[in-house]
Amino acid sequence: AQKVTQAQTEISVVEKEDVTLDCVYETRDTTYYLFWYKQPPSGELVFLIRRNSFDEQNEISGRYSWNFQKSTSSFNFTITASQVVDSAVYFCALSEARDYGQNFVFGPGTRLSVLP
Amino acid sequence: AAGVIQSPRHLIKEKRETATLKCYPIPRHDTVYWYQQGPGQDPQFLISFYEKMQSDKGSIPDRFSAQQFSDYHSELNMSSLELGDSALYFCASSFSGLGYNEQFFGPGTRLTVL
Repeated sequence: AQKVTQAQTEISVVEKEDVTLDCVYETRDTTYYLFWYKQPPSGELVFLIRRNSFDEQNEISGRYSWNFQKSTSSFNFTITASQVVDSAVYFCALSEARDYGQNFVFGPGTRLSVLP
Repeated sequence: AAGVIQSPRHLIKEKRETATLKCYPIPRHDTVYWYQQGPGQDPQFLISFYEKMQSDKGSIPDRFSAQQFSDYHSELNMSSLELGDSALYFCASSFSGLGYNEQFFGPGTRLTVL
């Protein structure tokens, strides 16, 4: 069975601090996809990144970076120089690699509060 | 670019009433998913359809049913509503021909049951 764990329920940081959100996953599949979504107070799910299981390269996009380590089944997300607008709930999600119809399994989410 | 459209965006119902949520996928997308997100919870998968056939089923109550129509839009029908059905309902769509699973989420329908 698939499972995603986000051990940090809530994190508070002061603006300009760096913050890392942890994600640990479980799956029996050798091919799978990992995702991060941001859910601001308005409620929509904003796509941040997709990573497939064969691509362990870290990725950087502006102030965001992701560290994928298959050996520890982790896909951590770091925000550098955090801003108040980064305040949101962040979900890590896992999906099997199937042709169609494969649902996402979400982690419980981490609520990030960035204080001015 | 066109996104997933959900209607209505907000819905208020009384207990034991019926509700219908609609989802219009991105053009050319052949797969639709429904998720339920309770207050303070993560989205939970309910059901999915590929080419108008049910492809996977999650924790969808028996009081709920869904279908995908010939134009690929989908409807989630919810009967005998309970207070616990109050949640944000997301629809997502994807295109199977991509070779990987990338789901595009709609803005959600916020259902409140009084």
